Amino acid sequence: DSGVTQTPKHLITATGQRVTLRCSPRSGDLSVYWYQQSLDQGLQFLIQYYNGEERAKGNILERFSAQQFPDLHSELNLSSLELGDSALYFCASSVSSGRSNEQFFGPGTRLTVL
Amino acid sequence: GQQVMQIPQYQHVQEGEDFTTYCNSSTTLSNIQWYKQRPGGHPVFLIQLVKSGEVKKQKRLTFQFGEAKKNSSLHITATQTTDVGTYFCAGSASNDYKLSFGAGTTVTVRA
Repeated sequence: DSGVTQTPKHLITATGQRVTLRCSPRSGDLSVYWYQQSLDQGLQFLIQYYNGEERAKGNILERFSAQQFPDLHSELNLSSLELGDSALYFCASSVSSGRSNEQFFGPGTRLTVL
Repeated sequence: GQQVMQIPQYQHVQEGEDFTTYCNSSTTLSNIQWYKQRPGGHPVFLIQLVKSGEVKKQKRLTFQFGEAKKNSSLHITATQTTDVGTYFCAGSASNDYKLSFGAGTTVTVRA
């Protein structure tokens, strides 16, 4: 158990819908990262937050947005869902924002868009 | 942008044999990390390398960072069934906060 929690574990929805994925980082970690992992693909970095502020952005679609709240939990919002958005979404956390920090991954949310 | 490539994509190994997976970057990296993801699981941090030419060992796993800090390797000796999973390398450029992950090497072991 990494100490990072993600809810829900599974999500099944239809095209065009909007969903929210939630992540709680490890106690004491200030940075939260979101990744997308499609079938047989590596981890695609989406976005990083540090202490409530956006720190780095990857190939995140305009239909996707995220935020980190004062209690440090984070939410990833996916809208106008398409079939291709079906994937495993991981949240990770680290102590600080530096690139040399070990990242602790949550169990992931499996999103299926029908 | 920065790209991290991993080869091979798949590695089928006889139990007891050794194998190596390689990671190459198009740019010089400030550091490289390795993660392991078991089937159905989430990535778990294994190690970080920072210095040019650095070599670190964890039991049967040997990690190396190239002299030019553009490549890295993971060598596993005497492969066991517990080594099954996907191994990812991830690197950061000196002017970049984010980690770029390779596509991973998925390892299966024949008993």
